[in-house]
Amino acid sequence: DARVTQTPRHKVTEMGQEVTMRCQPILGHNTVFWYRQTMMQGLELLAYFRNRAPLDDSGMPKDRFSAEMPDATLATLKIQPSEPRDSAVYFCASVDTSGGETQYFGPGTRLLVL
Amino acid sequence: DAKTTQPPSMDCAEGRAANLPCNHSTISGNEYVYWYRQIHSQGPQYIIHGLKNNETNEMASLIITEDRKSSTLILPHATLRDTAVYYCIVRVGMYSGGGADGLTFGKGTHLIIQP
Repeated sequence: DARVTQTPRHKVTEMGQEVTMRCQPILGHNTVFWYRQTMMQGLELLAYFRNRAPLDDSGMPKDRFSAEMPDATLATLKIQPSEPRDSAVYFCASVDTSGGETQYFGPGTRLLVL
Repeated sequence: DAKTTQPPSMDCAEGRAANLPCNHSTISGNEYVYWYRQIHSQGPQYIIHGLKNNETNEMASLIITEDRKSSTLILPHATLRDTAVYYCIVRVGMYSGGGADGLTFGKGTHLIIQP
C-alpha cells in the first residue's frame, strides 16, 4: 500500500532555530504539494512542484521559508529562522497527474516553536 | 476556484446514512466537485469527485443537482470511524483546462457519528 511519508512526525524547537521537514512522495508521483494547517487559518497551500520544478510558492513566507526537491523521492521544507507563529501541522501530498488529480496526503509533521 | 458553503457540524447515528450538503452556487461549467475528509490527527483523504452525473465508489455517493449549484455527499452506512471533517472543494478539473493545482480548503463540516 503506497503512502506518502513525512519526517519527523513531531518537532519541538526554540525560536530562531532552523527546522527541516522531509517528505517522500509516492513512487512515480510527479507533483508534490506542501500545506500548513493551523486552528486559525485551517489548511493552506504553501508551495508545490511538478517534475521537481517549483510551480507556485505564493502561499509561502519568502523571507524564512524555502522548499526544494533535490530528487524525485524527496521534498524538503525549511524554516530559518523559526518563529512561534510557525507552529502548525505541515502536510505533504503527492499526485500522479498521468492518472488523475487525486492528492494523497502524508501524516503530517507537527511543529511547535517555543 | 468557486466558493463553497457547508454546515459547520452535523450528527448522525451509527449505521444510518450520513448526508452532507454543500452549496456552490457560483460553480462554472468546467469545475468539478471534490470531497475530501480529515480524520483527527491525520492528513486529508480523497473521497470522491464529480462533474455533472451522480457518482458512487466504495466509500460514498455524490449527488449533484441538475443546476450544479449544490451537491450532497452520502455515506450509506456511517460508522464511528467516519467521524471527521468533510471538505467540499470546487475546482477546474485537470482535463478541463485546470493545472492539477493545489486544493483550496474551506472550514468543512465536522461530522460526528453517534453510537
